[in-house]
Amino acid sequence: DTGVSQDPRHKITKRGQNVTFRCDPISEHNRLYWYRQTLGQGPEFLTYFQNEAQLEKSRLLSDRFSAERPKGSFSTLEIQRTEQGDSAMYLCASSPSAANTGELFFGEGSRLTVL
Amino acid sequence: AQKITQTQPGMFVQEKEAVTLDCTYDTSDPSYGLFWYKQPSSGEMIFLIYQGSYDQQNATEGRYSLNFQKARKSANLVISASQLGDSAMYFCAMREGTGNQFYFGTGTSLTVIP
Repeated sequence: DTGVSQDPRHKITKRGQNVTFRCDPISEHNRLYWYRQTLGQGPEFLTYFQNEAQLEKSRLLSDRFSAERPKGSFSTLEIQRTEQGDSAMYLCASSPSAANTGELFFGEGSRLTVL
Repeated sequence: AQKITQTQPGMFVQEKEAVTLDCTYDTSDPSYGLFWYKQPSSGEMIFLIYQGSYDQQNATEGRYSLNFQKARKSANLVISASQLGDSAMYFCAMREGTGNQFYFGTGTSLTVIP
């Protein structure tokens, strides 16, 4: 399978714990995005990388959230001191920079439940 | 103001019939792209169709077509000959200019009835 892969698919944690999600984009894609989707809502933009550079961050990304893409390939999203409001699906997407339409290719998401 | 508005939380359609899912958008940028995604229960967002703001013709991809009415700022998705596998959430999205953010609507849940 050469699509976007995310790990873990499901994570249950207690409030106050740290969690980390990993995203492996499609190999030739240099653009990588993180989105958050809560129940009954559409995805909301969190952050964007071009290669290893984090070029854009949403105001939704509080100081408890940090994302990295150290070698321009896989990316990690860490949430420190989780809160119940962090419960959501975290979606990763990638895109090639030369795409005609620029559509995003999404992974299956990492569902976080904070107890 | 919402960038993308989808006013139909849920829709039902008989198998083999056509269905239209509504989407209106709000932007002052003359250059933008409009996208439709399907999200089955597995969670993965699947790209369906794209319409650029300067495209003269409505986009079509197989059974999917986009009814683009620029003056009304609407980009409705038409699914022809509905199949049971079309049952899913459908999201309309927009990207402005060369921006990196995609703005998504709240989605429409489509159920295809046998």
